[in-house]
Amino acid sequence: DTGVSQNPRHKITKRGQNVTFRCDPISEHNRLYWYRQTLGQGPEFLTYFQNEAQLEKSRLLSDRFSAERPKGSFSTLEIQRTEQGDSAMYLCASSGDSNTEAFFGQGTRLTVV
Amino acid sequence: AQSVAQPEDQVNVAEGNPLTVKCTYSVSGNPYLFWYVQYPNRGLQFLLKYITGDNLVKGSYGFEAEFNKSQTSFHLKKPSALVSDSALYFCAVRDRDNFNKFYFGSGTKLNVKP
Repeated sequence: DTGVSQNPRHKITKRGQNVTFRCDPISEHNRLYWYRQTLGQGPEFLTYFQNEAQLEKSRLLSDRFSAERPKGSFSTLEIQRTEQGDSAMYLCASSGDSNTEAFFGQGTRLTVV
Repeated sequence: AQSVAQPEDQVNVAEGNPLTVKCTYSVSGNPYLFWYVQYPNRGLQFLLKYITGDNLVKGSYGFEAEFNKSQTSFHLKKPSALVSDSALYFCAVRDRDNFNKFYFGSGTKLNVKP
């Protein structure tokens, strides 16, 4: 069990560019979550997958954001046409059938300049 | 709607003294309750959870939390604080029957001074 892995750890991009983040959950965890955290705030829910199915999306998730989890393993979060307001820490978490809690990765810090 | 409140942005305590970080929640039904800790530029690390049973739950690093149903509170406690406990603490709640999301409080910064 190597924990939840997120890549890259840091990303600096120019406004208007597209970025993609990857999350590798703990092996055999069927539930996967994406959260966003801005400075001084708690994590805000973005989206949830059970296996490959995206079962819930936050209204915060504009049409510039898209997430996938092909084959129910790793997940990607893409942000198109980035804006300065997208600057945040993007957190991924996973959970399995034997867990009530979620386990978080180290996060990807996005800075849009 | 589910919500979590952490009324204190910051808690200051001297090393060796007991600490309490407060959390109240508002949910429909019976929730699962959690505490997480976050160190600078890191993800959230699970500390402890309340599922059912004894209202006092014990977790990692000597932390414990007391569930109070009538006051809808789940305060985090530690009998003797360490400087290394200084970090950001988040309370979270999840509906028992809905795995879709966890709701987090805004966080409390714990400062433990030597």
